[in-house]
Amino acid sequence: NAGVTQTPKFQVLKTGQSMTLQCAQDMNHEYMSWYRQDPGMGLRLIHYSVGAGITDQGEVPNGYNVSRSTTEDFPLRLLSAAPSQTSVYFCASRGQGVGAFFGQGTRLTVV
Amino acid sequence: AQSVTQLGSHVSVSEGALVLLRCNYSSSVPPYLFWYVQYPNQGLQLLLKYTSAATLVKGINGFEAEFKKSETSFHLTKPSAHMSDAAEYFCAVTSSGGYNKLIFGAGTRLAVHP
Repeated sequence: NAGVTQTPKFQVLKTGQSMTLQCAQDMNHEYMSWYRQDPGMGLRLIHYSVGAGITDQGEVPNGYNVSRSTTEDFPLRLLSAAPSQTSVYFCASRGQGVGAFFGQGTRLTVV
Repeated sequence: AQSVTQLGSHVSVSEGALVLLRCNYSSSVPPYLFWYVQYPNQGLQLLLKYTSAATLVKGINGFEAEFKKSETSFHLTKPSAHMSDAAEYFCAVTSSGGYNKLIFGAGTRLAVHP
């Protein structure tokens, strides 16, 4: 049982480059979300999805896109990376009434 | 809107001493509350959760938390700290019913010294 799998674990981008952070879960959870973690700010919600084909914005959505074509996958896209997007990114999934299960994180540096 | 405030970004205790990490929440609807732990370079792991059943919730690794509606608090405690408890702890809130956003506090880093 893999839980939530994120790839890659580390990534360095140049300003203006694009990339996709992958997230997959095998628990058949409807709810998935992306957070970024910055020192002293906890985890801030970027985007979330309550099921395939349904996504919505969180607290800090600017500069990020998401889609949810299947229950299992919830990729996060950075269209034009900026240094302010240097952060650790976590994907999470959960079912109703339970706590979220987190991936191991992606450490992204934008230079 | 819901929010979480964790009092104290850093807490330091001696091994064997009581651990108390404070969390206050704001919610206009009955909340679900969670505590997570994060060890260095790892993801978050669920410690315990409150989902409107018993107000005293027991979690893993000897931690427990008490939901106090009158104080809008959900403080995390452990009677005797162990060196392995050193980590960052996050309190989180969401609404009961359906799928709702999980909102996190800023975190409290716990240091345990001999």
